[in-house]
Amino acid sequence: GNSVTQMEGPVTLSEEAFLTINCTYTATGYPSLFWYVQYPGEGLQLLLKATKADDKGSNKGFEATYRKETTSFHLEKGSVQVSDSAVYFCALSTNTGTASKLTFGTGTRLQVTL
Amino acid sequence: NAGVTQTPKFQVLKTGQSMTLQCAQDMNHEYMSWYRQDPGMGLRLIHYSVGAGITDQGEVPNGYNVSRSTTEDFPLRLLSAAPSQTSVYFCASTRGGGDEQYFGPGTRLTVT
Repeated sequence: GNSVTQMEGPVTLSEEAFLTINCTYTATGYPSLFWYVQYPGEGLQLLLKATKADDKGSNKGFEATYRKETTSFHLEKGSVQVSDSAVYFCALSTNTGTASKLTFGTGTRLQVTL
Repeated sequence: NAGVTQTPKFQVLKTGQSMTLQCAQDMNHEYMSWYRQDPGMGLRLIHYSVGAGITDQGEVPNGYNVSRSTTEDFPLRLLSAAPSQTSVYFCASTRGGGDEQYFGPGTRLTVT
């Protein structure tokens, strides 16, 4: 079956530090890959996505590249801000037949301090 | 454009009580899903629907029922609540085809 593994948190960084959150996956077929972000007390929001190998998703300074050879989709940001403090979820979607279901990783909490 | 709405935001139940969590979307999406979020486990799929009148089980369906009589609404029913169902519940919708899912704000349920 499908699965997503992401690094355990919490990750604590100083403002302007470089961020990497690792994500690897196992899936049948050719999944789409996503990063969702959950700010405190809120639902999940799509941060970025990639639908095929070597695609790079980017948004708000965050980037992730779909690496089929290493089955990875690591999230990076060059300079984090306090406002980036949130829980980040890596997820994949396989469009099996008429269904479209997400498989999530366990989430990584990021805390950015001044 | 309201997106995905969920009610209530918070709920406390006693063991054995029943209730329905409401979910509605105004984006004319065919696919809707219910997830539960538990600490250290991410989000897990409970039930999903690929259109009005069509539902199917996800990863953790036991103790929950769903129905989909309209495109807009996808209620989740707990027939006899148990403490193991204490969780945060999220409804989501999507056009499908690997497209992004849009999430509601969640319902925090506590079963005592």
